[in-house]
Amino acid sequence: NAGVTQTPKFRVLKTGQSMTLLCAQDMNHEYMYWYRQDPGMGLRLIHYSVGEGTTAKGEVPDGYNVSRLKKQNFLLGLESAAPSQTSVYFCASNAVGLAGGHSSYEQYFGPGTRLTVT
Amino acid sequence: AQKVTQAQTEISVVEKEDVTLDCVYETRDTTYYLFWYKQPPSGELVFLIRRNSFDEQNEISGRYSWNFQKSTSSFNFTITASQVVDSAVYFCALTDLTNTGNQFYFGTGTSLTVIP
Repeated sequence: NAGVTQTPKFRVLKTGQSMTLLCAQDMNHEYMYWYRQDPGMGLRLIHYSVGEGTTAKGEVPDGYNVSRLKKQNFLLGLESAAPSQTSVYFCASNAVGLAGGHSSYEQYFGPGTRLTVT
Repeated sequence: AQKVTQAQTEISVVEKEDVTLDCVYETRDTTYYLFWYKQPPSGELVFLIRRNSFDEQNEISGRYSWNFQKSTSSFNFTITASQVVDSAVYFCALTDLTNTGNQFYFGTGTSLTVIP
């Protein structure tokens, strides 16, 4: 199993450019997440998905869009990049193990994508 | 509302010293789960431990131990006889049954430097 993979690992964008980050997991997990990590701020949730075809906003969704067309993939899009979106982006997935759609399991993280917007 | 506080931003210790990383959490739910993750300088996030709210037994895994106290809403992490390889950022996280999507709430992390 590859676990959770992210593409690309590094990217430099100019202000106003667009890009898509791809996250893929091979563990058949229902839930997937996109976080950003900034110095001193820990991990902040951007968007998440509880299943194929579903998405929901997290703590810091502005400036980002997501899609979950296939269960194993979760895409994060930046339509018009801004310097404030310079960050390290992590994707994660989670199995559903309890009744009611909740899970006691840990989230599995990808290796991260370092994005710089100039 | 859910919240995780890691008040120690940075800690430095000399190799072989013991060190405790503090984690204080807030939740209104009676069923919740706590986690610790390690982020070494290479950047990946490594899962260390999961604890549920009904199990207050302390856990020991090699040089690592965890102390869960519901009375003080704390889930502290102790490294005994620290080593240079323990240098990393450590995150504490919480999830409970009141939030949708099994969201995790992370603390801001504690950066541990072990000096040889």
